[in-house]
Amino acid sequence: DIQMTQSPSTLSASVGDRVTITCRASQSVSSWLAWYQQKPGQAPKLLIYDVSSLESGVPSRFSGSGSGTEFTLTISSLQPDDFATYYCQQYNGYFGQGTKLEIK
Amino acid sequence: EVQLVESGGGLVPPGGSLRLSCAASGFTFSSHWMSWVRQAPGKGLEWVANIKQDGSEKYYVDSVKGRFTISRDSAKNSLYLQMNSLRAEDTAVYYCARDQYWGQGTLVTVSS
Repeated sequence: DIQMTQSPSTLSASVGDRVTITCRASQSVSSWLAWYQQKPGQAPKLLIYDVSSLESGVPSRFSGSGSGTEFTLTISSLQPDDFATYYCQQYNGYFGQGTKLEIK
Repeated sequence: EVQLVESGGGLVPPGGSLRLSCAASGFTFSSHWMSWVRQAPGKGLEWVANIKQDGSEKYYVDSVKGRFTISRDSAKNSLYLQMNSLRAEDTAVYYCARDQYWGQGTLVTVSS
């Protein structure tokens, strides 16, 4: 099994900050990695697929990078709507534990 | 356009069984791994099971091994999850998934 480890579990930041969330796989997942955003009471929303491809309609302040076993989700300038929980996932496999992005 | 539509959720007592179905369209179903993921109320996302294109390989999260069975029917472009010996902790929204594409989910509630 390929396990996904996400960090940090909680991140406190301010509007306008640049933030980075890291996801590490226990072995290579090639480019089969996605990032999701979830707000309370809502279904998860796809942000990034294939490591770095931006889903249609997602603001360009979101970006993904990495390869093999280490990946990052970056939000270049936090907006009020971005405070949520973020998950990485190897396609058809395990999720990271989630990162709750909170307002500082 | 990839479409995944789940059905079969509902209320079931502890120890009961339920079969979820997922109707797939918009892609060549027989060419892709498929999976089920779930989210219990107030909890994180959890991968449940996946199945290879031809059904020859199936994998499960430890908590459902021996109780859940994933299967597929390429003639019907459908994915299934047979859930037996259901427990309260299996209560969740269950999603059918292909890579980054998910269905809208179906709610399974295990309660007496």
